[in-house]
Amino acid sequence: SAVISQKPSRDICQRGTSLTIQCQVDSQVTMMFWYRQQPGQSLTLIATANQGSEATYESGFVIDKFPISRPNLTFSTLTVSNMSPEDSSIYLCSVVGTGGGETQYFGPGTRLLVL
Amino acid sequence: AQSVAQPEDQVNVAEGNPLTVKCTYSVSGNPYLFWYVQYPNRGLQFLLKYITGDNLVKGSYGFEAEFNKSQTSFHLKKPSALVSDSALYFCAVRDLGDYKLSFGAGTTVTVRA
Repeated sequence: SAVISQKPSRDICQRGTSLTIQCQVDSQVTMMFWYRQQPGQSLTLIATANQGSEATYESGFVIDKFPISRPNLTFSTLTVSNMSPEDSSIYLCSVVGTGGGETQYFGPGTRLLVL
Repeated sequence: AQSVAQPEDQVNVAEGNPLTVKCTYSVSGNPYLFWYVQYPNRGLQFLLKYITGDNLVKGSYGFEAEFNKSQTSFHLKKPSALVSDSALYFCAVRDLGDYKLSFGAGTTVTVRA
């Protein structure tokens, strides 16, 4: 499986600021996704990061709040904008390999605390 | 629409005893089913999947799961639990042709020595 890294691994931010999270994969992948895991909760899909085009957002998530970039087949960023304490979560990227394999693999996550 | 239910928030077992974590699903077409494990302060690790074929699938760390179409279930099992199996377990489902995963609420497994 691909090796997935995320930066930063954790951060503490002030409300009203923005944080950009990076996801780097060691091989080209077909699909990349961003998930949010709120404290004590399950994972919720934020969006599908599309290479070279705008991300596809799930219901309840908007581009102004969570802009996403995917400039190539190995890298994506998620920005959490104008943060509030409710944005405190773990943010995870996931990938599906170039073989079109069925398994989605996850990065280690970014733990965000907003004060 | 697709969804997953994990009816137990917590499962507690003694080391060496069998471990079962329950999962039921709902999907419009043929399901692709997955189990992931999350250790404290770690990301999600893939354990096993059912796509097609044999209803009993074997995965990492001695875990296995049985797909039951009539009961729409995909329960995770381990014959002899270890203390190191203590973690949060997620069941997930997706439909054929759609890579978006829907996750269950998660089940916290505690294995006592």
